[in-house]
Amino acid sequence: EPEVTQTPSHQVTQMGQEVILRCVPISNHLYFYWYRQILGQKVEFLVSFYNNEISEKSEIFDDQFSVERPDGSNFTLKIRSTKLEDSAMYFCASMPRRGTYSNQPQHFGDGTRLSIL
Amino acid sequence: DQQVKQNSPSLSVQEGRISILNCDYTNSMFDYFLWYKKYPAEGPTFLISISSIKDKNEDGRFTVFLNKSAKHLSLHIVPSQPGDSAVYFCAASESNFGNEKLTFGTGTRLTIIP
Repeated sequence: EPEVTQTPSHQVTQMGQEVILRCVPISNHLYFYWYRQILGQKVEFLVSFYNNEISEKSEIFDDQFSVERPDGSNFTLKIRSTKLEDSAMYFCASMPRRGTYSNQPQHFGDGTRLSIL
Repeated sequence: DQQVKQNSPSLSVQEGRISILNCDYTNSMFDYFLWYKKYPAEGPTFLISISSIKDKNEDGRFTVFLNKSAKHLSLHIVPSQPGDSAVYFCAASESNFGNEKLTFGTGTRLTIIP
């Protein structure tokens, strides 16, 4: 069964450094998302992406964050200058074309654990 | 801002019996509800979903019930198996032409006792 793959599985970075988290969504999917889960808290929406542009972003997704789909397969999340509070699990998700009268579930990768020192 | 709530952080059920996980929501604009299962060091795995036009959806051992007037949904697993031990997340979204963001509950850790 097709999967969303994320790399690396664990990223350790010094505070203030830039980090790029990578995702390969399922190949025929059109909608892409990033979520994060801080330890002990709920999974939170960060950003959705469709047709090469951001559809919606949360308050968390400030100017330090950006997303890109540089080619036909990768979807990346960049944090320009990391802070201690950016330490979390970051999940990528993708979804196929939504039917006119039906919803589709989002499929998640296994996440990247980001540790900021 | 807890739009989706799972009030039971944990649940233990004997193997072979029914597991019932509950979820409440406050946003009346939500029209699509999902259950995800999560093992440690893995991402959430989609289990089953239900649209607000239905009150029940069944897939094998898993059934989701939706009570819109009470803003409550539940996941029934029967019979429960040891492999069902995991954290279960309820999630909800409102239709937005495919750009639906999911709002998650805090999860319920289900332990199946052999």
